[in-house]
Amino acid sequence: AQTVTQSQPEMSVQEAETVTLSCTYDTSESNYYLFWYKQPPSRQMILVIRQEAYKQQNATENRFSVNFQKAAKSFSLKISDSQLGDTAMYFCALTRGSTLGRLYFGRGTQLTVWP
Amino acid sequence: EPEVTQTPSHQVTQMGQEVILRCVPISNHLYFYWYRQILGQKVEFLVSFYNNEISEKSEIFDDQFSVERPDGSNFTLKIRSTKLEDSAMYFCASIKTGGNTEAFFGQGTRLTVV
Repeated sequence: AQTVTQSQPEMSVQEAETVTLSCTYDTSESNYYLFWYKQPPSRQMILVIRQEAYKQQNATENRFSVNFQKAAKSFSLKISDSQLGDTAMYFCALTRGSTLGRLYFGRGTQLTVWP
Repeated sequence: EPEVTQTPSHQVTQMGQEVILRCVPISNHLYFYWYRQILGQKVEFLVSFYNNEISEKSEIFDDQFSVERPDGSNFTLKIRSTKLEDSAMYFCASIKTGGNTEAFFGQGTRLTVV
């Protein structure tokens, strides 16, 4: 079974500061992919960043980067220079390489960026 | 930019009624999914659809649920006899080539069963 755990229901950060959202996962698969999705108040899920498990290098996308610790099954998201528009629910998700894209989601972390 | 569109954005229905939620995936995508999110809870997988058939379904996706791609563009989720606990946000998603590629989500349909 695949499980994704986000232990922080809520986080807040001041604009321009850095924040890290935590995620741990469990899977018996050797081939899998990890994602962070953002869900703003509009409710649409938007991909923030993804990581292939076979890659050791941590993924980065502009202000967003991950700390992928494969042995510890940890996949945290770091947001640098936080902006008001980053306020959203953030979901960590996993998909097995062997399946046709089914995503397993964590419960989400509500991030609030304040001025 | 291509996007997944869902209609309606909000539907209110009486318990026991049938509802059909509609989705138009991105045109060159091959894999389609329905997820639901009960308020305050995690996003849960319902079903995946590929090559005009269900490829995987969760334990939530019982006989009350069905999916269809009737005309090569729309992808629908039907709930035959709605229950109060079906109240949730339902998301459609599509993927171009499967597995590790990005899933594009629609904006969701909020279903309220009264």
